[in-house]
Amino acid sequence: ELTQPPSVSVSPGQTARITCSGDALPNQYVYWYQHKAGQAPVLVISKDRERPSGIPERFSGSTSGTTVTLTITGVQAEDEADYYCQSSDNTGTSLFVFGTGTKVTVL
Amino acid sequence: ELLESGGGLVQPGGSLRLSCAASGFTFSDFAMTWVRQRPGKGLEWVSTISSSGGITYYADSVKGRFTLSRDNSKNTLYLQMSSLTVGDTAIYYCAKDSGVPAAYYFMDVWGKGTTVTVSS
Repeated sequence: ELTQPPSVSVSPGQTARITCSGDALPNQYVYWYQHKAGQAPVLVISKDRERPSGIPERFSGSTSGTTVTLTITGVQAEDEADYYCQSSDNTGTSLFVFGTGTKVTVL
Repeated sequence: ELLESGGGLVQPGGSLRLSCAASGFTFSDFAMTWVRQRPGKGLEWVSTISSSGGITYYADSVKGRFTLSRDNSKNTLYLQMSSLTVGDTAIYYCAKDSGVPAAYYFMDVWGKGTTVTVSS
């Protein structure tokens, strides 16, 4: 199971940090998706900290032990969305596991 | 691009087949996945199929009721859903496996989803 805070609120230009915690994370890569209502989810961070082509530099990822963090530096209004972490499931019960999701609100 | 279709309103116990039409990449080279989002909830992995279609994986919540298949000649993915319950009400998203560093790590292209409502 991957645990995220339900919500994060931030003013434009400030920094938003979204955590994802799980006991297996030291041994698994984590991927982050941005999801806006009515739209397709978008991959914003791959393999803990890699930014896919086309994703703004303000999105970054880091890891420390059982917690990985998605950081949005200089938040813009367009960054308001739900964010989900995802990793492979090493329990054998499923293939992929998603975090509980975090709603980022830009004040 | 991925374009889902086939969603709609169905009664409990009924069946529905979702389709996902793929374009812009070599469909037969990649595993494909369905992910759903129930009302007010987060993303939930449903099922994955290998690039050839020979191997399928299912979440425990749908195992025995859903069948995932693909037609690589038509670049189309199918999800046959049966014995539907109210708990299957969700937006269903089709997603392409990245294939990097191998299959079954993450999804790099998603569709916009199709809505399934199970209600009497």
